[in-house]
Amino acid sequence: DQQVKQNSPSLSVQEGRISILNCDYTNSMFDYFLWYKKYPAEGPTFLISISSIKDKNEDGRFTVFLNKSAKHLSLHIVPSQPGDSAVYFCAASGGGGDDMRFGAGTRLTVKP
Amino acid sequence: NAGVTQTPKFQVLKTGQSMTLQCAQDMNHNSMYWYRQDPGMGLRLIYYSASEGTTDKGEVPNGYNVSRLNKREFSLRLESAAPSQTSVYFCASKQWTDHTEAFFGQGTRLTVV
Repeated sequence: DQQVKQNSPSLSVQEGRISILNCDYTNSMFDYFLWYKKYPAEGPTFLISISSIKDKNEDGRFTVFLNKSAKHLSLHIVPSQPGDSAVYFCAASGGGGDDMRFGAGTRLTVKP
Repeated sequence: NAGVTQTPKFQVLKTGQSMTLQCAQDMNHNSMYWYRQDPGMGLRLIYYSASEGTTDKGEVPNGYNVSRLNKREFSLRLESAAPSQTSVYFCASKQWTDHTEAFFGQGTRLTVV
């Protein structure tokens, strides 16, 4: 069963606008959430994370929001840049489990 | 500072052949992971090792075995390769299992014909 879901396979936005990527999870024991960015032919690289004790975490142009009651998190990129074009994976871990589960990914394209 | 190193980068196998994917990290991390990436499926966990001396199954362990050789190295073995195992394989490591980010290798693209 897919415990972490990214229901939008792709997203296209104009340079300078906001990109919003969404992620849902089913396991209420998850308590740490991460976003990774992946370029073709490279491994995923860590972007930003959030603990379940928070509802928002910011790092420059990137902000992650967590809604625990809805089991939903989102990544906001403002302003979007062409270099942000990549596949973004949502991941979750914790709750006593040692593993880390990923969503299917969302391909973001930022058009100049 | 190499981080996580995977070998080989590319491999073509015939059905039924065996091979071992190697992974080594130089960050003194305790936990190591093997994932496979398939179109539309994202990253699926095959096996992980929370610490040296332990291994556990992930979401898709069938057809694979692993060995945590020491703290640095975590290998993935395909005993009898099948076309369904054609995928890109990623190794990752993290300091501890909880509340830390994982670092990934560059991946191994495996094709089974």
